[in-house]
Amino acid sequence: GAGVSQSPRYKVAKRGQDVALRCDPISGHVSLFWYQQALGQGPEFLTYFQNEAQLDKSGLPSDRFFAERPEGSVSTLKIQRTQQEDSAVYLCASSFEGGTEAFFGQGTRLTVV
Amino acid sequence: GIQVEQSPPDLILQEGANSTLRCNFSDSVNNLQWFHQNPWGQLINLFYIPSGTKQNGRLSATTVATERYSLLYISSSQTTDSAVYFCAVDLNDYKLSFGAGTTVTVRA
Repeated sequence: GAGVSQSPRYKVAKRGQDVALRCDPISGHVSLFWYQQALGQGPEFLTYFQNEAQLDKSGLPSDRFFAERPEGSVSTLKIQRTQQEDSAVYLCASSFEGGTEAFFGQGTRLTVV
Repeated sequence: GIQVEQSPPDLILQEGANSTLRCNFSDSVNNLQWFHQNPWGQLINLFYIPSGTKQNGRLSATTVATERYSLLYISSSQTTDSAVYFCAVDLNDYKLSFGAGTTVTVRA
């Protein structure tokens, strides 16, 4: 596609609910990243995929967070048993390969109530 | 991990003024990007500039990798330049580390 596409744009979840956030990267981009951005701060790295392989998940804040990219294209970030501290904007980015220019999607704003 | 410091944290400009935003980083990097974030939250690419100087219209950027800093110049600022500007660096070919951003407000 023309750019990185994320859905939904906004998600309100009740505490304890599971959520799934989708990212559709730029066609042909090997690398895919997830970032979390709290209000008033810069984005923080969550995880990195090269094709379908998850090479770094060191930024995932807890074992309630899980990401996958089974066919090396679309990725899903899943958060189980959401907590209020999970409220943030979740940004997806892709690049042709690691170390090249990264392009970001519009983000999903998650609010846990 | 690598430290990325942006200054100033806030910048208020009169329309037509010029300004310089600074990004300092604590280690040698393979990649440096400047973004601005629009009111809807999307990060818009401005420059991919691990070293050297680039210009795009009224914006230009310079990275001096050996001295671990980058500068973003905005000339003849317009109200539409109002945004949060982020610098991001990576030292291992994938993980971007972001600064806290500079909030630029341009007044008419």
